[in-house]
Amino acid sequence: SQTIHQWPATLVQPVGSPLSLECTVEGTSNPNLYWYRQAAGRGLQLLFYSVGIGQISSEVPQNLSASRPQDRQFILSSKKLLLSDSGFYLCAWSYGGPNYNSPLHFGNGTRLTVT
Amino acid sequence: QKEVEQNSGPLSVPEGAIASLNCTYSDRGSQSFFWYRQYSGKSPELIMFIYSNGDKEDGRFTAQLNKASQYVSLLIRDSQPSDSATYLCAVMESGGSYIPTFGRGTSLIVHP
Repeated sequence: SQTIHQWPATLVQPVGSPLSLECTVEGTSNPNLYWYRQAAGRGLQLLFYSVGIGQISSEVPQNLSASRPQDRQFILSSKKLLLSDSGFYLCAWSYGGPNYNSPLHFGNGTRLTVT
Repeated sequence: QKEVEQNSGPLSVPEGAIASLNCTYSDRGSQSFFWYRQYSGKSPELIMFIYSNGDKEDGRFTAQLNKASQYVSLLIRDSQPSDSATYLCAVMESGGSYIPTFGRGTSLIVHP
């Protein structure tokens, strides 16, 4: 079966500090990978998605970036955090390819507080 | 722009009742429909998916799809307090799309 790991679970960082969140998927190859952010009481905002190693699509231009150094590893980064970066960050995967029947499966999320 | 609309609620139902959650979507090319449950402070969890018009039942959950009217609904029978959560509707089109469109969710409260 497939599993998704996301860490850390919680993070408190000062404004201006760097950020690195990591996500790995087990049990499948060439998954589609996604980073979402959910602000308190708000909907899901797609930040980045990737359909293969080194292929990153950005949905929201901001001070965040994403990388996919390995097939099942997805990393969200920032060089300098802003207060507005606080939120609940979710990594998700779906089966690879344009399989429109494949739902997204979410990791447990990282709650980021920028102080 | 593709839109998925849900009533934000909260929808309050007594324990044992049927909870009915509705979702409408704008893209007629949509082919896949998913329901997620999100407990407060937790990540969304897939609970149902439906691809064809009609009803699909799984335990206490029934998903209903009407493509002509562009709506999908989720019925929860014999609602329990543990069903209290936000329910997200997600819609995906055909034709090579990787990205579902999520609604903002409906908050459900089941009171004893």
